[in-house]
Amino acid sequence: AQSVAQPEDQVNVAEGNPLTVKCTYSVSGNPYLFWYVQYPNRGLQFLLKYITGDNLVKGSYGFEAEFNKSQTSFHLKKPSALVSDSALYFCAVISWSGAGSYQLTFGKGTKLSVIP
Amino acid sequence: DSGVTQTPKHLITATGQRVTLRCSPRSGDLSVYWYQQSLDQGLQFLIQYYNGEERAKGNILERFSAQQFPDLHSELNLSSLELGDSALYFCASSEGTGGYGYTFGSGTRLTVV
Repeated sequence: AQSVAQPEDQVNVAEGNPLTVKCTYSVSGNPYLFWYVQYPNRGLQFLLKYITGDNLVKGSYGFEAEFNKSQTSFHLKKPSALVSDSALYFCAVISWSGAGSYQLTFGKGTKLSVIP
Repeated sequence: DSGVTQTPKHLITATGQRVTLRCSPRSGDLSVYWYQQSLDQGLQFLIQYYNGEERAKGNILERFSAQQFPDLHSELNLSSLELGDSALYFCASSEGTGGYGYTFGSGTRLTVV
């Protein structure tokens, strides 16, 4: 079964510092990986995805993620954190569910707090 | 506004009761997915419909059921509610069945007392 793991429940970073939110994956075949963000009392919003191609993927709001096949990781990064980046971040992978359908399987989420 | 509408936003009900959560997908999207978000379990996939047909089931309890209507809106029915069913229930929609291009609604927060 396809799965992702987010080893940190919470990440704290000072405003202006670089941030990293970690994700590792376990899949058979080529992974299709995603990052989503959830702000309080809101639904999940898409940040970026890796399907194929360059290992460094750029997404919304200045975020990027690095796909590393040897380490089976897909860490989310941003060079300079903003207080407004404080939110819950989810890593996800596409999973085959049969009958010609796929769905996203999510990690447990990492709460990012950016401290002013 | 993501284009996916979920109602109601909040629901408080007693144990043993039955509730219905409603989701209207984004215009043009044929797939609807239901997820449950709780503190201890994270985001759990419940069920998927595509153009009125059930396509996949995840960790959905037998007390829960869903359907997608001809106008493509979907309803998630939760019955014999227990305290542990308290959670955020999200609906997402996509154009096809490939797992790409999910758009999430803002969720229904269910509290069972």
